[in-house]
Amino acid sequence: VLTQSPSASAALGASVTITCTVNSVYETYAISWHQQQPEKGPRYLMTVNSNDTYMKADGIPDRFSGSSSGTERHLTISSLQSEDEADYYCQTWGTGIGVFGGGTKVTVL
Amino acid sequence: QVHLVQSGAEVKKPGASVQVSCKASGYTFANYGVSWVRQAPGQGLEWMGWVSAYSGFTSYAENFRGRITVTADTSAATAYMELRGLTSADTAVFFCARDLGIFAPDNIDSWGQGTLVTVSS
Repeated sequence: VLTQSPSASAALGASVTITCTVNSVYETYAISWHQQQPEKGPRYLMTVNSNDTYMKADGIPDRFSGSSSGTERHLTISSLQSEDEADYYCQTWGTGIGVFGGGTKVTVL
Repeated sequence: QVHLVQSGAEVKKPGASVQVSCKASGYTFANYGVSWVRQAPGQGLEWMGWVSAYSGFTSYAENFRGRITVTADTSAATAYMELRGLTSADTAVFFCARDLGIFAPDNIDSWGQGTLVTVSS
């Protein structure tokens, strides 16, 4: 249902965009993005809707933003910091069950 | 502030069962669901199941159906996950998470701290 590229990288202070592709059957579904730093539990970042709007959790820095186009849901991190090096997972639901993408490992160069 | 506190680490023998609890605070428990997620060492997040704290309805992933039960006790604002027939492949960290869905699983917006379950003879 959800497909993510396994890895992405960018230099410290640069921007990176990671993408979660939704199966076309679920094109109208919102997805949520979750960050998992090394040796920590996941943290909810935001929900991205199919109409290109997003809502962040409290306390998430402004450098994190979301967008949507067709079956793609994007997470953009601007002004990359060292603490942004983590695994990022998208999540949604379909046919009565929950589902996660395979995760994208973001490396800060 | 939403807070989910899980029970402590467990060590179990193959074939045994484990129950993990997840106590919620900071919100009206019955207005949400609770999803359970497994993460094996070095692996990604795997959705296991969901319970509506509003109705008690449940939904399970195909991989776990038949050996998982999730419940919610609204009087205690606590959700429970029981996994039976444990094997070494179940050695993992188990997370509970607040789920926006009360009639079916939906998006997750908050996480517990995780419970390590080790299955070893």
